[in-house]
Amino acid sequence: QVQLQESGPGLVKPSETLSLTCTVSGDSIGRGDYFWTWIRQSPGKGLEWIGYIYSTGTPYYNPSLMSRVTMSLDTSMGQFSLKVTSVTAADTAVYFCSRLRCSSSCSRGGAFDIWGQGTKVTVSS
Amino acid sequence: EIVLTQSPATLSLSPGERAILSCRTSQSVSNFLAWFQQKPGQGPRILIYDASIRATGIPARFSGSGSGTDFTLTISSLEPEDFAVYYCQQRDTGVTFGQGTRLDIK
Repeated sequence: QVQLQESGPGLVKPSETLSLTCTVSGDSIGRGDYFWTWIRQSPGKGLEWIGYIYSTGTPYYNPSLMSRVTMSLDTSMGQFSLKVTSVTAADTAVYFCSRLRCSSSCSRGGAFDIWGQGTKVTVSS
Repeated sequence: EIVLTQSPATLSLSPGERAILSCRTSQSVSNFLAWFQQKPGQGPRILIYDASIRATGIPARFSGSGSGTDFTLTISSLEPEDFAVYYCQQRDTGVTFGQGTRLDIK
């Protein structure tokens, strides 16, 4: 059974960098038609896709965030990570990691079929 | 960005009743639309993907339909555990989510 678990600081100061890690158990993140994903949820903006990284290591970012976001994959550790630079209060949210499983095509559609429990990140001085 | 508009914002029904939730997209997403259920303190749970395919382990009372810009999630007979918030999500161009429909017990 595949499980995802987010980890990282719950409090980040404005203008600093938010760093989170998602640990995947029960599967290898370097194989298969999967995109390893970060999504956040806040009362103001609802659910927002931040980006994902394909099992080969190619990242795809939300255009609205791509100037501040970096994702990476560590297949040896079974982890993928997120960095968001120059954070503001607008980045306060619950951050989820998730697995997107391809269906008939990897370029469109598919299912975010497994989610972590989420981690709350607050941006405040 | 493709905008997803869900209606109604809140739906109040009783167990045993049928629920019909709507999701309209600002441009065609073909059939690349999914539905999720979320309960307080939990991550979203996939119900339906590619408009009409039930995810593994999802009861048959949940069904999805539609294509292009208009989609529907139907819960044929509500169980007590179905009262939650439901979201639609597209992955035709980027990934975006609707704002949610809260399903309340009447």
